[in-house]
Amino acid sequence: GDSVTQMEGPVTLSEEAFLTINCTYTATGYPSLFWYVQYPGEGLQLLLKATKADDKGSNKGFEATYRKETTSFHLEKGSVQVSDSAVYFCALSHTNAGKSTFGDGTTLTVKP
Amino acid sequence: GAGVSQSPSNKVTEKGKDVELRCDPISGHTALYWYRQSLGQGPEFLIYFQGTGAADDSGLPNDRFFAVRPEGSVSTLKIQRTERGDSAVYLCASSQDRSSYEQYFGPGTRLTVT
Repeated sequence: GDSVTQMEGPVTLSEEAFLTINCTYTATGYPSLFWYVQYPGEGLQLLLKATKADDKGSNKGFEATYRKETTSFHLEKGSVQVSDSAVYFCALSHTNAGKSTFGDGTTLTVKP
Repeated sequence: GAGVSQSPSNKVTEKGKDVELRCDPISGHTALYWYRQSLGQGPEFLIYFQGTGAADDSGLPNDRFFAVRPEGSVSTLKIQRTERGDSAVYLCASSQDRSSYEQYFGPGTRLTVT
């Protein structure tokens, strides 16, 4: 079956540091890939997505590129802010199949 | 507009009791999903509705769990004879239709079985 593996956290960075959160997946076919974010006290929100190989998803300064050859979708941001402190989830979904498969999440804390 | 709402936000119940969790999706969204999230883990798929019918219930762990969506809008997840292992946050999400990638999540119901 499908699975998503994220780098283990927690991750603690200073403000303006570079962020990478690794995500790899196992799936048949060509799934779509997602990053969701959960801010403290809030629900899950879609952060960015990529629907085919070599697509780059981007939003709020975050980027991730769909790499089929390495089955990866690593999340990056050039300069993190305190407000980026949250739990980040990598996920995949097959076209028209409905359900998403999630990783276990990576907790990011950004210190001033 | 209003997002996905879930009730109750917290539910504490005794082992062996039945519980019902409610999800009110975004108006007009035909697809509805239930997930379960245990502490320190990502959401785990339970069931997916397209309209009134369950299109995929492969994630339901056993026959104590079932969900309904009789009018294609509000959904209820029912857990019978609860066990301590059922304690988790139950998340509901909706999307515009089955081909829409973006799922909008509710705040969840935290279920504690004592």
